[in-house]
Amino acid sequence: LAKTTQPISMDSYEGQEVNITCSHNNIATNDYITWYQQFPSQGPRFIIQGYKTKVTNEVASLFIPADRKSSTLSLPRVSLSDTAVYYCLVVRANNNAGNMLTFGGGTRLMVKP
Amino acid sequence: DSGVTQTPKHLITATGQRVTLRCSPRSGDLSVYWYQQSLDQGLQFLIQYYNGEERAKGNILERFSAQQFPDLHSELNLSSLELGDSALYFCASSVEPLKGEQYFGPGTRLTVT
Repeated sequence: LAKTTQPISMDSYEGQEVNITCSHNNIATNDYITWYQQFPSQGPRFIIQGYKTKVTNEVASLFIPADRKSSTLSLPRVSLSDTAVYYCLVVRANNNAGNMLTFGGGTRLMVKP
Repeated sequence: DSGVTQTPKHLITATGQRVTLRCSPRSGDLSVYWYQQSLDQGLQFLIQYYNGEERAKGNILERFSAQQFPDLHSELNLSSLELGDSALYFCASSVEPLKGEQYFGPGTRLTVT
């Protein structure tokens, strides 16, 4: 599966929009881009998933350019409770070997008052 | 609340001992995954079961084993425990086939002394 690269950490302030970019240069045709959020001592929580262009749900947006070699998770108007680690993953659909997730280092987002 | 339950929440045991961690997936999910998260190694995939059968194996030690029962709950057995096995163990579940949306339980914190 494609290896992902994302910033180790980011700082922001309450009310700002935060954009976290992930690069996945070796993404394959069948791969989907998925983002998870993890708070300390809790299991990761699925945020959003996309294949191309733009996906939006109630908590975030995911922007994927045409070449799909990168993606950007956008969190609108962050609050202190958005302080967490955010993981970008590339997942292969219908993989007969199983849908195991390979988590990288993630981006540690710190939201300040 | 993801709908995935794990017991026990905390477990403290001595080196050389054997423990069993239990996971109940979300209602309707046929697939169960086990992950280990230690401080210095991030989140590592261990093993996946689908409807009672092993589907994929990750970095699981030979001292560790797992199974999924007919009622779909799963157990992870850790034996001959070592200090380095101290970690958070997460169970996740999903509907198969899926593009990567897994629901994680709250985890079991294992401390080996």
